[in-house]
Amino acid sequence: EVQVLESGGGLAQPGGSLRLSCAASGFTFSSYAMTWVRQAPGKGLEWVSAISGSGGSTYYADSVKGRFTISRDNSKNTLYLQINSLRAEDTAVYYCAKSLLERLSCMDVWGQGTTVTVSS
Amino acid sequence: QSALTQPRSVSGSPGQSVTISCTGTSSDVGGYDYVSWYQQHPGKAPRLMIYDVNRRPSGVPDRFSGSKSGNTASLTISGLQAEDEADYYCCPYAGSSWVFGGGTKVTVL
Repeated sequence: EVQVLESGGGLAQPGGSLRLSCAASGFTFSSYAMTWVRQAPGKGLEWVSAISGSGGSTYYADSVKGRFTISRDNSKNTLYLQINSLRAEDTAVYYCAKSLLERLSCMDVWGQGTTVTVSS
Repeated sequence: QSALTQPRSVSGSPGQSVTISCTGTSSDVGGYDYVSWYQQHPGKAPRLMIYDVNRRPSGVPDRFSGSKSGNTASLTISGLQAEDEADYYCCPYAGSSWVFGGGTKVTVL
């Protein structure tokens, strides 16, 4: 069964850092791009970042560019999102999603999400 | 990234059809044939319902259909069922990024 499972969320202070992880199973991880999407409490979905299957191409929403870094370890079937200089507006459920293709494409399999709360 | 316009809510009785619109610009909806739609029930992860404007992933009922005209994409649910009550988000490709619409709540009366 194709699955992705996020971890690493929690309570963090403004200005701090967090690294989210997403463990993938049931498919050839390196053959697919991967994406992070977030959802603030009571709000809609926001596309955050994506990375190609090889890891050679990365993409970011303007709202997170310069603070977030997406990466992947294809030997460990794991996707990461490094979040620096945390702000209150980063509080959200962060979803990891498998893309339909190796390149930037829509998201066909989603995890259950990991919650990030930024508060002092 | 641009802003997309979706109606806040639509409703229909069981068996009826409802259509959700998603209006963008020539830089997103109108610029590429890469519009996807996601369904999200409360407290659950989103689910892909339509991709590439009008293609359905396996397992999605054929009463869900998508279309596009100019800068507006649409999702139609025919033969509305109780389990279709959820939030729906459009998501067009915008050139090196994707952007979500604000979401539409579908209520089954």
